[in-house]
Amino acid sequence: EDQVTQSPEALRLQEGESSSLNCSYTVSGLRGLFWYRQDPGKGPEFLFTLYSAGEEKEKERLKATLTKKESFLHITAPKPEDSATYLCAVQALAGANNLFFGTGTRLTVIP
Amino acid sequence: EAGVAQSPRYKIIEKRQSVAFWCNPISGHATLYWYQQILGQGPKLLIQFQNNGVVDDSQLPKDRFSAERLKGVDSTLKIQPAKLEDSAVYLCASSPGWRNTIYFGEGSWLTVV
Repeated sequence: EDQVTQSPEALRLQEGESSSLNCSYTVSGLRGLFWYRQDPGKGPEFLFTLYSAGEEKEKERLKATLTKKESFLHITAPKPEDSATYLCAVQALAGANNLFFGTGTRLTVIP
Repeated sequence: EAGVAQSPRYKIIEKRQSVAFWCNPISGHATLYWYQQILGQGPKLLIQFQNNGVVDDSQLPKDRFSAERLKGVDSTLKIQPAKLEDSAVYLCASSPGWRNTIYFGEGSWLTVV
């Protein structure tokens, strides 16, 4: 059965204090691993898709990396506007094209 | 480009009442999804359509939930009768095709009292 575990559940950072969020996964054949950002009262906003181990993608202060068992979302010099819940999801090779989500990491960046 | 549109944004109903949510996907997107997100959890798939056919509804509680996608565009999700545990955000999402990025709407917030 597909499983996605995100850690930590919550993270408080000072502005400028870099850190990483973890997403460990179990899936019978990975088609893609997705990162989304979700602000309170909003739907998830797409950030990245990673398809194979060793792949990296960057967007502003965010960088996502992928290994065969986990993905990291690195946040460099975060700003208060980076505060949100970050969701990780996997998409399996077999079956329907849906996403299986973790429970998210709630990030708060303090000015 | 317009995103996924959902309505209503907020709804409060009493248990055993019925409610319906509407979704208009991004223009040209063949695949449409309904997800349920309970507070503090990640979204969970309820049903997936490819054009106007159902691809996966294995997680849809069919005794009370129903969904349709007429003409392969708009979709409606209905709950009847509602239970307290149905309180959640109902997210509609769409993607261009079978193996593309999935884009979400703002969600419809349901509170059952």
